[in-house]
Amino acid sequence: AQSVTQLGSHVSVSEGALVLLRCNYSSSVPPYLFWYVQYPNQGLQLLLKYTSAATLVKGINGFEAEFKKSETSFHLTKPSAHMSDAAEYFCASYNQGGKLIFGQGTELSVKP
Amino acid sequence: DAGVIQSPRHEVTEMGQEVTLRCKPISGHNSLFWYRQTMMRGLELLIYFNNNVPIDDSGMPEDRFSAKMPNASFSTLKIQPSEPRDSAVYFCASSTQTSGGVNEQFFGPGTRLTVL
Repeated sequence: AQSVTQLGSHVSVSEGALVLLRCNYSSSVPPYLFWYVQYPNQGLQLLLKYTSAATLVKGINGFEAEFKKSETSFHLTKPSAHMSDAAEYFCASYNQGGKLIFGQGTELSVKP
Repeated sequence: DAGVIQSPRHEVTEMGQEVTLRCKPISGHNSLFWYRQTMMRGLELLIYFNNNVPIDDSGMPEDRFSAKMPNASFSTLKIQPSEPRDSAVYFCASSTQTSGGVNEQFFGPGTRLTVL
């Protein structure tokens, strides 16, 4: 069955440091992959998506993710963390049944 | 566009009571999704509709849960009778679904349900 695994339920970085949130997927066909962000008491908002075009995808707020088929990964990065980046981040994959399969989420904390 | 609208934003009820959650998708979107979010289980898809027709309700936990979409601009999720373990945040999302295409889902702000 298709699945999405996010490594690390909680990541803490200092302001200005690199942000790296890990996501691995399992899929028997080329996947469509997404990263969503959820700020406290809000719904999910799309950060970026991969749909088999460029393997390096740029999103909003300075985030980007690289699709690596050989590693079945779609890790999310940002060169310099900002306090406002503190939120929960979800990696998701679309399956052929038209459903989004979400990872368990990674909570990002940013220390001043 | 106002985005996906959900009501109420917060609901506190007592065990055994009926609860109805409401969702208005983004105009022009033809797919609607109901999710439940808890600390223990994360985000779970409960049911989704395409062109007002339920496509997959395999995520609906029990017969106490039911969902309807009488028209393209309105959907309800009903729990009857409610139980404390139903306490969660319920999200509605909508998207445009086309054959061969994959579009993002737009999420509403959620309804925080507390069953006492």
